[in-house]
Amino acid sequence: AQSVTQLDSHVSVSEGTPVLLRCNYSSSYSPSLFWYVQHPNKGLQLLLKYTSAATLVKGINGFEAEFKKSETSFHLTKPSAHMSDAAEYFCVVSTTGGGNKLTFGTGTQLKVEL
Amino acid sequence: DVKVTQSSRYLVKRTGEKVFLECVQDMDHENMFWYRQDPGLGLRLIYFSYDVKMKEKGDIPEGYSVSREKKERFSLILESASTNQTSMYLCASSLSYGNTIYFGEGSWLTVV
Repeated sequence: AQSVTQLDSHVSVSEGTPVLLRCNYSSSYSPSLFWYVQHPNKGLQLLLKYTSAATLVKGINGFEAEFKKSETSFHLTKPSAHMSDAAEYFCVVSTTGGGNKLTFGTGTQLKVEL
Repeated sequence: DVKVTQSSRYLVKRTGEKVFLECVQDMDHENMFWYRQDPGLGLRLIYFSYDVKMKEKGDIPEGYSVSREKKERFSLILESASTNQTSMYLCASSLSYGNTIYFGEGSWLTVV
């Protein structure tokens, strides 16, 4: 079985300040982990993914995430928020034992204020 | 670029109607998925398919069926639409396990 917990449903930051979106996972197998972003009325776009290579993963638009097996975490960070980062973010886990299924977190709404 | 196309972006249907949601991908992907997205619940898997004519139930298959007659096309069918199926439906595809999953832009379905 696998599961994902996004610890914050809403995060609000000021433009130019760091962003931290938290994600914990549970998996019986070696997981692949993803972060997706969804802008209003749009589909989901891949930000980055971890598939058992380097534990620090760099993605698009300055985002990165670190896989920490001991903490079962995969938090998403960005050094400096931009207004265009305002969107909903989903942490996703996939495992071979999961039958090629993805399990999504419930999402974190990021608000960026001036 | 991979493209996943959901032909209907916005639909309004009456209770009891049969509804078809169509999805086409252009990258010869093996796997295709249908999710529904509801506020506070994230994305929930309805059905997925790992090959032509193959399908597996996801977490919430009740009230839905699917069809995959061709590799590039995956259809979601609501046999008798109900108001609790009002939602946003997202189609996705991937080459295989562990590969990036690509999403369509979504289909907003309202059942009245």
